[in-house]
This record gives sequence, C-alpha cells and structure tokens, in this order.
Amino acid sequence: DAMVIQNPRYQVTQFGKPVTLSCSQTLNHNVMYWYQQKSSQAPKLLFHYYDKDFNNEADTPDNFQSRRPNTSFCFLDIRSPGLGDAAMYLCATNIGRGGRFKNEQFFGPGTRLTVL
Amino acid sequence: GENVEQHPSTLSVQEGDSAVIKCTYSDSASNYFPWYKQELGKRPQLIIDIRSNVGEKKDQRIAVTLNKTAKHFSLHITETQPEDSAVYFCAASRNSGYALNFGKGTSLLVTP
Repeated sequence: DAMVIQNPRYQVTQFGKPVTLSCSQTLNHNVMYWYQQKSSQAPKLLFHYYDKDFNNEADTPDNFQSRRPNTSFCFLDIRSPGLGDAAMYLCATNIGRGGRFKNEQFFGPGTRLTVL
Repeated sequence: GENVEQHPSTLSVQEGDSAVIKCTYSDSASNYFPWYKQELGKRPQLIIDIRSNVGEKKDQRIAVTLNKTAKHFSLHITETQPEDSAVYFCAASRNSGYALNFGKGTSLLVTP
C-alpha cells in the first residue's frame, strides 16, 4: 500500500540530455513537493504545488521545471542535466488542509539520478 | 527566510546511552517542528513532531522538547540501539505555509 511512489528509482542520463522524473500519490493530498538531496546534505526544496498553484523557490535553477497534470501526479523535468545535478530527488506530499496532520510531509522513496 | 541550525553534525554513542540533538530556528512565526530519520539510501521518515502550543512530547524512547522563547528544540533518544544509527534531520515550518526548512542533519552512530 505504497502512498508516495516515484519512478524510476534509478535514472542514468547523459550530460545535457533531458530527463523526467515521476511521482504519484494515493493520499489525495493537495500539496506535492520536489526536493533535491545531495550526498550528506539536507533535502533542498526546489518547488511545490498547492493544487495547481505552482510555488518556485527563489534559488531553483531555470533548468528545473515541474508539471502537475492532476492531483495524483507530479513530474520533475530537468531540461539539460549537468554533472552537478546528480543527486537523490525526493517527492513529498502534504494534506494541505487544516486538522491534526496539517504540515506533516510524506516522502517517496526517491529517484537517484546519475549524470554521465 | 527561516534558518535552521542543527548540532552536532556527527554523534557517536554506546548502545544504551542517551543521544541529544539540538536545533535552533530564526523565524518566530514557525510553529511546527518535525524530526526525520533517514537511513542510508532510504527516504526520510517522520519519527516525532511538535507544535508550538506544546513544550514536550514523548513517544517511547524518543522525546522532543521545544523552547519557544529561546527558539530551540531538541531530540532526545534514550536507551539507544544500533538500529537507531542514521542521519536525523530537524525542520521548522510555519502554519500558514507548506515548506519545511531543514537543518543540515546529524549522523548518529550507536556502537554495540
């Protein structure tokens, strides 16, 4: 009964070759996030959606784009991956409504991206 | 924006001892403080959280304390076991927003 699913779990791409990472959720949560986590570092928020409203972090490079076609799915597009983009990419969700579980984030298993 | 500082960056304890990890935050509007445990190659998992209307919360061997005046919160693990070895992240968030600001993490090693 996986709740936040990420595909693929491992992705290898070439320098400059566009890549798309996928996240889906069965929780019916309003908010979906994409984080980048490099080795031995904290997760770094790239952007999040509240429903269809897109919220970009100020320091997220233009190379990173996102799409959320419906409540369940969210995609991370890296237009021209560089060596520095190799990392674990984590998707997370938040119920986004009031109540006991407001603010709690549920993480997916991550996609490890390698750039050759 | 919010700045979350976490100390120490590494912590080594013997099995059965206690471990304490401390975090400070800068945004007085922050009112939600979760702690995540991340094992190597795995997702961060929420282990305990506290809201600003509570000073302390306990769940078996894990407890979190919050001092709003001083803007710091701490994770306490008692009777540590080797399976507690992992990286622990603190975070802070505003009630009105949905972003978590993470500390840099503490690598905890529990030796038998």
